[in-house]
Amino acid sequence: EPEVTQTPSHQVTQMGQEVILRCVPISNHLYFYWYRQILGQKVEFLVSFYNNEISEKSEIFDDQFSVERPDGSNFTLKIRSTKLEDSAMYFCASSVSSTQYFGPGTRLTVL
Amino acid sequence: KQEVTQIPAALSVPEGENLVLNCSFTDSAIYNLQWFRQDPGKGLTSLLLIQSSQREQTSGRLNASLDKSSGRSTLYIAASQPGDSATYLCAPRPGTGANNLFFGTGTRLTVIP
Repeated sequence: EPEVTQTPSHQVTQMGQEVILRCVPISNHLYFYWYRQILGQKVEFLVSFYNNEISEKSEIFDDQFSVERPDGSNFTLKIRSTKLEDSAMYFCASSVSSTQYFGPGTRLTVL
Repeated sequence: KQEVTQIPAALSVPEGENLVLNCSFTDSAIYNLQWFRQDPGKGLTSLLLIQSSQREQTSGRLNASLDKSSGRSTLYIAASQPGDSATYLCAPRPGTGANNLFFGTGTRLTVIP
């Protein structure tokens, strides 16, 4: 069964560094999403992407964040200058219609 | 902004019991609602999606109901098994057509063998 995959599974970085989190959505899906979950808290929506542009974004998704679909298979989330509070599990998801399918997540630790 | 509450926060049952997980949401103008399970340290697995026009949706031992006007959904698990132990999350999608899901804090289920 097709799955959303994410790399790396765990990323450790120093505060102020740039990180890129990578996702390979399910191949025939058209909508792509990033969510995050701070330890012990709710899963929160960051951004959705359709037809090569952002369709919705939350107030969390500020100028430090950007998304890109650099080729036909990858979908990336870049954080330009990481802060301690960016430490979280980041989930990529994709959908072709209503049901969103989530990847296993990347745990980002900012030191 | 949509607020989602799940009760109880944790539930422990002996194997074989039927159980109900509750989800309530403040804005009843939803497009659909998705139920997920999350295993510790893992991603979210989609269990069921129920459209706003539906009252129920079933998959195997799982049955989700939706009462949109009162802002409630329930997930019924029949004949629970130890493998059902996980955190269960509900996530309504706004009726505006936006694609973002709003998540509750979940119900942590433990099924005791």
